[in-house]
Amino acid sequence: GQNIDQPTEMTATEGAIVQINCTYQTSGFNGLFWYQQHAGEAPTFLSYNVLDGLEEKGRFSSFLSRSKGYSYLLLKELQMKDSASYLCAPVTPQAGTALIFGKGTTLSVSS
Amino acid sequence: DADVTQTPRNRITKTGKRIMLECSQTKGHDRMYWYRQDPGLGLRLIYYSFDVKDINKGEISDGYSVSRQAQAKFSLSLESAIPNQTALYFCATSDPEGGIGFTGELFFGEGSRLTVL
Repeated sequence: GQNIDQPTEMTATEGAIVQINCTYQTSGFNGLFWYQQHAGEAPTFLSYNVLDGLEEKGRFSSFLSRSKGYSYLLLKELQMKDSASYLCAPVTPQAGTALIFGKGTTLSVSS
Repeated sequence: DADVTQTPRNRITKTGKRIMLECSQTKGHDRMYWYRQDPGLGLRLIYYSFDVKDINKGEISDGYSVSRQAQAKFSLSLESAIPNQTALYFCATSDPEGGIGFTGELFFGEGSRLTVL
């Protein structure tokens, strides 16, 4: 089975930096996805980390430590439109692309 | 037009009724999935199919069944709906992991909101 842990809620202000953590315990590990989901909408892909380290994509960066079972999503220069839920999903050899998601972190950005 | 289309988008039904949610895709993907989403519980995998002849149970398959009629179509059925199946249901598709064109992305439909009274 899998155990995925994310904070339930976070708040931040416009222009700030926020880090959303995800810890996981899985039987086998291939990589980890992050998705963004605005309320009432479908999730959209943000990043996929396979190797340890930080990957940067514009204002969003994602970090992975395979040995620690830990990942984080770093959002810089926060904007109101970043208010959303952020879902992490580790990939296991057994399930492959049939992702099991964490419960998600709801981020609220205020002005 | 959406690449992954779900019908109906909204449905209200009564306890005990049979309901079918349909998903069709034009992305040419082999893999298709059904998830349900409840407040505070995130996305939970119901069933998935890696090709037309492949059906697999996910985390919460009890009370649901699926049919993969073609590469492009994957339907979710509730044989006898109950109120705790009230949720937002998402269909998704993807490339095979590591295959040509694999981008790491699940492509989601817009969701089907089901209310069981």
